[in-house]
Amino acid sequence: KAGVTQTPRYLIKTRGQQVTLSCSPISGHRSVSWYQQTPGQGLQFLFEYFSETQRNKGNFPGRFSGRQFSNSRSEMNVSTLELGDSALYLCASSRGSATNEKLFFGSGTQLSVL
Amino acid sequence: LAKTTQPISMDSYEGQEVNITCSHNNIATNDYITWYQQFPSQGPRFIIQGYKTKVTNEVASLFIPADRKSSTLSLPRVSLSDTAVYYCLVGDMGDDKIIFGKGTRLHILP
Repeated sequence: KAGVTQTPRYLIKTRGQQVTLSCSPISGHRSVSWYQQTPGQGLQFLFEYFSETQRNKGNFPGRFSGRQFSNSRSEMNVSTLELGDSALYLCASSRGSATNEKLFFGSGTQLSVL
Repeated sequence: LAKTTQPISMDSYEGQEVNITCSHNNIATNDYITWYQQFPSQGPRFIIQGYKTKVTNEVASLFIPADRKSSTLSLPRVSLSDTAVYYCLVGDMGDDKIIFGKGTRLHILP
């Protein structure tokens, strides 16, 4: 069974630009959740999508948004990039709601904002 | 307010049993306790999940006391490759947000 796939693996952007990250969940999984990981703040929850609907959201500004398609693939968008957005962005998929299910993580997208 | 509390770091030696405890005083009735392992520049990997008492799989055991306010991950006979950060995740404690604590940085020495 294929795991969670995130693309691209690495990304370099400049301040003010926008970026779209992609996540393909494990086949049959309906939930995709997104996380930002930085050395200073650790692993922080961004949002979760379940059956194309945003189920819950962490404490991030509106510049961070996402969506989920009918095939459960998900994209995350960050607009007007700031230097502080440099981080490892991880997505995880699960069969049901992410809050009490096993999460299967991708390898992440390492975003550098210059 | 932190939802889970774990030691920041631990050192142990190869071949030893390692126990990492996580405190979660505000655990909700329907919350499960899940532990993940993370290596640098990789996503966390599921280790074990439990609700109460004891759960064991091929890599670890999870001990949960009756009040469920804490849990202990037990790694038998660790090796150098077990050097990683270990996170305990407890459901959502009623607010639908997934909060990973700071994790425990485990360093295995030869």
